[in-house]
Amino acid sequence: DGGITQSPKYLFRKEGQNVTLSCEQNLNHDAMYWYRQDPGQGLRLIYYSQIVNDFQKGDIAEGYSVSREKKESFPLTVTSAQKNPTAFYLCASSGTSGGGSYEQYFGPGTRLTVT
Amino acid sequence: AQSVTQLDSQVPVFEEAPVELRCNYSSSVSVYLFWYVQYPNQGLQLLLKYLSGSTLVKGINGFEAEFNKSQTSFHLRKPSVHISDTAEYFCAVPSGSRLTFGEGTQLTVNP
Repeated sequence: DGGITQSPKYLFRKEGQNVTLSCEQNLNHDAMYWYRQDPGQGLRLIYYSQIVNDFQKGDIAEGYSVSREKKESFPLTVTSAQKNPTAFYLCASSGTSGGGSYEQYFGPGTRLTVT
Repeated sequence: AQSVTQLDSQVPVFEEAPVELRCNYSSSVSVYLFWYVQYPNQGLQLLLKYLSGSTLVKGINGFEAEFNKSQTSFHLRKPSVHISDTAEYFCAVPSGSRLTFGEGTQLTVNP
């Protein structure tokens, strides 16, 4: 089955530690995205990548970093510079042709708790 | 940049009642529009999409939406809801190379 996997489902870290969230897709999609979701709020875009070895900042990139070395992988690092890292993180991907290319497919999410 | 506004943050209804979740978009030019559903502690799942053609779009789980260009709306409807429809619903529109999501509408179906 094609889809997006995020691991782990739950992640706990101490304040001051960097942590990397995994996102892998086998849909052969060119574009990948990272969102942050806080309780009762919508989705906020952190970073996105439309092609391998290239990525752009979203609306809330401060304190986060990404890499896109392979088409199927788009890991997100939450650095110690991120002031409020506790949140639900969602990864998504989309194709790049026609109107349907805007349709994004989402992973199951990673809930990060930093204490 | 395109944007969407979801007019209700919370919609409580009783089981088997009809429901409408409202979404307005920012531009009257041709657009693509999407509705997603998110169950607790899960990712988003596509309910339906409007790309072109018929303005009445049918999706999964008995939901449908109507694209109304003159009113710049894309409201989501279901004639009879179930307890299992309790979830958060997001309207989305492309803006550049990304999707812009609304703030979400929490639908709560009560017995």
